[in-house]
Amino acid sequence: GAGVSQTPSNKVTEKGKYVELRCDPISGHTALYWYRQSLGQGPEFLIYFQGTGAADDSGLPNDRFFAVRPEGSVSTLKIQRTERGDSAVYLCASSPTDNPGNTIYFGEGSWLTVV
Amino acid sequence: GNSVTQMEGPVTLSEEAFLTINCTYTATGYPSLFWYVQYPGEGLQLLLKATKADDKGSNKGFEATYRKETTSFHLEKGSVQVSDSAVYFCALSDHLGSGTYKYIFGTGTRLKVLA
Repeated sequence: GAGVSQTPSNKVTEKGKYVELRCDPISGHTALYWYRQSLGQGPEFLIYFQGTGAADDSGLPNDRFFAVRPEGSVSTLKIQRTERGDSAVYLCASSPTDNPGNTIYFGEGSWLTVV
Repeated sequence: GNSVTQMEGPVTLSEEAFLTINCTYTATGYPSLFWYVQYPGEGLQLLLKATKADDKGSNKGFEATYRKETTSFHLEKGSVQVSDSAVYFCALSDHLGSGTYKYIFGTGTRLKVLA
């Protein structure tokens, strides 16, 4: 597609359950980013992929969070043993990587609610 | 580490009023600077950007100038419209090395324009 696609758009899960959120970046973009946005806050960096590898995962809050990008395109953010505090919008973005002035393009986000 | 600080909102203005939203940054090196906008019910999208000192980014009547001496990138518009009501995010690109970049966002400033 033309833009960054994220699925599901909404997910309600019970505390303790496992969740996967998927991101399909813009075709040809080698950089892929995951952010988390809580109500009234700005996007908080989680992890950044350059190709298949995680170039920076310093934003992942703890070891319950994990992300993969096995073929350098689609990425999956995985959250184990979900907690109510994980409720937020999870944003995916992609960008070409040859220039720091590149625009970063966001998807619509996946709204996660943990009950 | 690198960071972005922007003025707290909400900012409420009458239509045709002048808008300024302040943004300052802390960075080692020379980041690129961005303003993103999030309209109600939509994802984040680029509004404008500047990639080096003294550059001015502009779009849809909005402007911001990259001021290295004051580490600022304030957003301005001469005459706001009701349709400008949104949340505005200031951001910078942080060079991680080897041609990779991380984007850091401020907390956002909500603008409400009254008819």
